[in-house]
Amino acid sequence: EDKVVQSPLSLVVHEGDTVTLNCSYEVTNFRSLLWYKQEKKAPTFLFMLTSSGIEKKSGRLSSILDKKELFSILNITATQTGDSAVYLCAGEIQGAQKLVFGQGTRLTINP
Amino acid sequence: NAGVTQTPKFRILKIGQSMTLQCAQDMNHNYMYWYRQDPGMGLKLIYYSVGAGITDKGEVPNGYNVSRSTTEDFPLRLELAAPSQTSVYFCASSYSFLAGGNNEQFFGPGTRLTVL
Repeated sequence: EDKVVQSPLSLVVHEGDTVTLNCSYEVTNFRSLLWYKQEKKAPTFLFMLTSSGIEKKSGRLSSILDKKELFSILNITATQTGDSAVYLCAGEIQGAQKLVFGQGTRLTINP
Repeated sequence: NAGVTQTPKFRILKIGQSMTLQCAQDMNHNYMYWYRQDPGMGLKLIYYSVGAGITDKGEVPNGYNVSRSTTEDFPLRLELAAPSQTSVYFCASSYSFLAGGNNEQFFGPGTRLTVL
């Protein structure tokens, strides 16, 4: 059975801290790993990772994939209160491009 | 572009009632998906479609039906609503990877459904 597991499930930090969110996956016919940010509404896309060891960056956010150990991390540096959200990772299955989502990490940034 | 639109935003159903959740996209995406998200959980795939006339079951299809008569629309039908179907429903769409370019899924704003 395809499975994606995120840790921690919940994290509370102070503004300015750096956080690392973890995602491990067991997905047959794996093609890519995606990260989404979900505030109160729909998930919004952050990153898609298809190759091992190549970091993707967008401002203070970065992510990397390890296809040998089957995990990915999402780093956020100099956190701001606007980073408070649920962060979802998902493994993509080839073919129909179906996504298998993890439970999400609820990140709370306190001022 | 409106992107992915969903109606209604909220709905309360009584046990045994039926309804259709509407989803439309104007990005000419081949692939469309329906997910449900229970409180504190990730998203679970209900049904998906790789093109007009083609649909298939996801992880949790029981109690639901779909159709895809056009590229733009992908309605989700609930027959005989049950309290276990209380959830937030998201529709999403994407390009085919084979078409080139980024193929991430774009999500609609969601429909919050309560079955009492």
